Amino acid sequence: EPEVTQTPSHQVTQMGQEVILRCVPISNHLYFYWYRQILGQKVEFLVSFYNNEISEKSEIFDDQFSVERPDGSNFTLKIRSTKLEDSAMYFCASSPGILSEQYFGPGTRLTVT
Amino acid sequence: DQQVKQNSPSLSVQEGRISILNCDYTNSMFDYFLWYKKYPAEGPTFLISISSIKDKNEDGRFTVFLNKSAKHLSLHIVPSQPGDSAVYFCAASYTQGGSEKLVFGKGTKLTVNP
Repeated sequence: EPEVTQTPSHQVTQMGQEVILRCVPISNHLYFYWYRQILGQKVEFLVSFYNNEISEKSEIFDDQFSVERPDGSNFTLKIRSTKLEDSAMYFCASSPGILSEQYFGPGTRLTVT
Repeated sequence: DQQVKQNSPSLSVQEGRISILNCDYTNSMFDYFLWYKKYPAEGPTFLISISSIKDKNEDGRFTVFLNKSAKHLSLHIVPSQPGDSAVYFCAASYTQGGSEKLVFGKGTKLTVNP
């Protein structure tokens, strides 16, 4: 069964450093998403991506964040200058279309020290 | 901003009995609702969904009920099995507004005791 994969599973970085979280969505899906879950809190939407551009973003997704689909398979989330409060689980998801379920990857645990 | 609320942080049931997980929402524009299951150290796994034009959707042991007037949905698991023990998240979206984002509740931890 096809699945969304994410690397790395755990990333530790120092405050102010740039990180890139990587995702490989399900191959025939058209919509891609990033969510995050701070420990003990809700899963929160960050950004959606369709047709090679951002279709929606939340207020969390400020200028420090960017997304890219550099080739036909990868979907990345970059945080330019990490802050302590960026520490969270980051989940990538993909779906075949609107009004379809989103399939989530296993997550990347980002720890900013 | 709690547009999707799961007021029970935990639920414990006996194997073979029914598990009922509840979810309330405040945004009447939501038109698509989903339930996800999450094990520790894994991503949310899609379980079942329902569109706002329906009031019930069934898939095997899982049934989701939607009461639009009460802005309430529930997930019924019958019969419950120990492998169902996980955190269950309710999520909603407003697809007619062109938004694909899912708004999640805080989750309910279900424990099914053998």
